[in-house]
Amino acid sequence: NAGVTQTPKFQVLKTGQSMTLQCAQDMNHEYMSWYRQDPGMGLRLIHYSVGAGITDQGEVPNGYNVSRSTTEDFPLRLLSAAPSQTSVYFCASRGEGETDTQYFGPGTRLTVL
Amino acid sequence: GNSVTQMEGPVTLSEEAFLTINCTYTATGYPSLFWYVQYPGEGLQLLLKATKADDKGSNKGFEATYRKETTSFHLEKGSVQVSDSAVYFCALSEWDNFNKFYFGSGTKLNVKP
Repeated sequence: NAGVTQTPKFQVLKTGQSMTLQCAQDMNHEYMSWYRQDPGMGLRLIHYSVGAGITDQGEVPNGYNVSRSTTEDFPLRLLSAAPSQTSVYFCASRGEGETDTQYFGPGTRLTVL
Repeated sequence: GNSVTQMEGPVTLSEEAFLTINCTYTATGYPSLFWYVQYPGEGLQLLLKATKADDKGSNKGFEATYRKETTSFHLEKGSVQVSDSAVYFCALSEWDNFNKFYFGSGTKLNVKP
């Protein structure tokens, strides 16, 4: 049981490039979320999903796209990276029976030059 | 709107000292409250939680009580260890949407031997 996994661990992009951050969980959790962590600001919710085919916006969704084609995977896409998207990105999941507890992945550190 | 405010760090203590990290919140309805811990290079881990007023969450010697009258959820530990050095995040989830979490900015704790 690997829990929540994220790839890559580190990534450097140039402004305007696109990329996808991968997130997968093997706990059969319905609920998955993406957060970004910036110094002095804690974690902010980008997008979340309540099940395959269903996604919704969080606090800071602009510049990011998501989709949920399977229960296990929840990729985050940056279509045209900007320096303001330099951050650490965390994926999290939550089970149906655990209404409050989220399980976090190890994070992806992204730098946009 | 919903928000979480926690004391700025870093907090530096000697081993076996008493720890308090203050956390206050603003929320509509009846949120659930959490403390998460982040060790260097890792994702966040749930430390403890409380889902209603006057509940006390506890784990690994840490405690926090949900105080609705003061909108607070302060983290305490009677005797810290070097291994407690980490960043601590206070968080809340919306009472009618467990997928929406709001995090404080984090408090770094350094414990010296």
